[in-house]
This record gives sequence, structure tokens and C-alpha cells, in this order.
Amino acid sequence: DAGVIQSPRHEVTEMGQEVTLRCKLISGHNSLFWYRQTMMRGLELLIYFNNNVPIDDSGMPEDRFSAKMPNASFSTLKIQPSEPRDSAVYFCASSPRTGRTEAFFGQGTRLTVV
Amino acid sequence: AQSVSQHNHHVILSEAASLELGCNYSYGGTVNLFWYVQYPGQHLQLLLKYFSGDPLVKGIKGFEAEFIKSKFSFNLRKPSVQWSDTAEYFCAVNAHDMRFGAGTRLTVKP
Repeated sequence: DAGVIQSPRHEVTEMGQEVTLRCKLISGHNSLFWYRQTMMRGLELLIYFNNNVPIDDSGMPEDRFSAKMPNASFSTLKIQPSEPRDSAVYFCASSPRTGRTEAFFGQGTRLTVV
Repeated sequence: AQSVSQHNHHVILSEAASLELGCNYSYGGTVNLFWYVQYPGQHLQLLLKYFSGDPLVKGIKGFEAEFIKSKFSFNLRKPSVQWSDTAEYFCAVNAHDMRFGAGTRLTVKP
């Protein structure tokens, strides 16, 4: 298995533009987590899904952020409009099921908003 | 919701020194506990995990951690660190979702 695949690996965009980050889960996994990592705030859980359903989105910073799972193996995190303070590394992780297993991380997307 | 506290922000050691990184969590129910490592520029990788049974768990690269339920702790240890252990270490708790501590940056001087 190729593991959790994120794209793009790097994204540089101008303030105000829409940004879409993509994540492909490991086959058979049914839990999906989006994290944001910054020097100031560490690793923050933004949202997680179980069986394609968003369970907890309380970590999503504001309405500019949205996440979807259109199918069991794929998720997107969208920021519209983007702001410089959104610059961070965004990680996607999946696990076979919630609560009893570890999460497997993708390589991350380094987002820079200028 | 569960939360995780890591006591040390940055630890600097010389090679061959012993390591202990503190981790405490707050959650009243059954939890699963993890330590992840993030080498510079890389993603998080699992070091070890505790689900049940023997509270002393051994992971990769000579790391181990001890779950002390009464103290809500899951400290990470290694008897003798190497320069290649330089990385950031994250403690995590999984009750309903996976929550991470702020991380501890370990620098090992050669």
C-alpha cells in the first residue's frame, strides 16, 4: 500500500485565492483526520471523519475552512479566501477505525500564503 | 474531550545520555496512547503504542514508554540517545479522535 497520499506537497498562493488540499486514504481505512502544524500552535486537529461523516469540526479555525469526503477514499480541505496566517503544514491521517488504532500520516502539504 | 500535555518544549542532550520525555493526558475513560516522532522535514511516524496489558511498552529504535494510570502519564524513555534521534516527539491520546501534545523538540549533540 502506498500509504496516505497528499497533494500538492507544496503550495504557494496569493492572499484571497482559493486553496484546495487533497488526501487519499489508505485502502480499507474509515477514519480521516486533518491536522495543521505551525511553530506557534503545534499540531492542531482541524476535523475528523468516520465513515465519510464529519464527526468533530470544532478545530476548524473559521468559516473560510471547509472539508469534505466525497467518497470513502478521498478528502479535500478547502480554504477560501486564503490569508497569510493560514500558512502552515497541513497533514492528513487515516486509521482503520476510530479509537483503537494509530493514525497513519501523509507527507503533508506545506502551504504558503503571500 | 481528551487533552495531552507535554512538559518539555525543547530538550538538549549529549550522545549516550538517557532520555525521558513527559506526557500527561486528561480523560476519564479508556484511552489508547501513542508516541510519534517527526524527523526534520518529514511526516509523523509511530514510535510505539499502548492499548492494554503490560504498561511498559517497547517501540522501535530502542524507545520505550510506561503507562501509569494513576498518574495519567505515558512518559517516553531511551537509555542512550544517538545523534540520529534528533527530532520532534509527540505524545497522542486516542479516545474518540487522535489528539496530540504540543511536541518536544529533542536535540542530541554529537
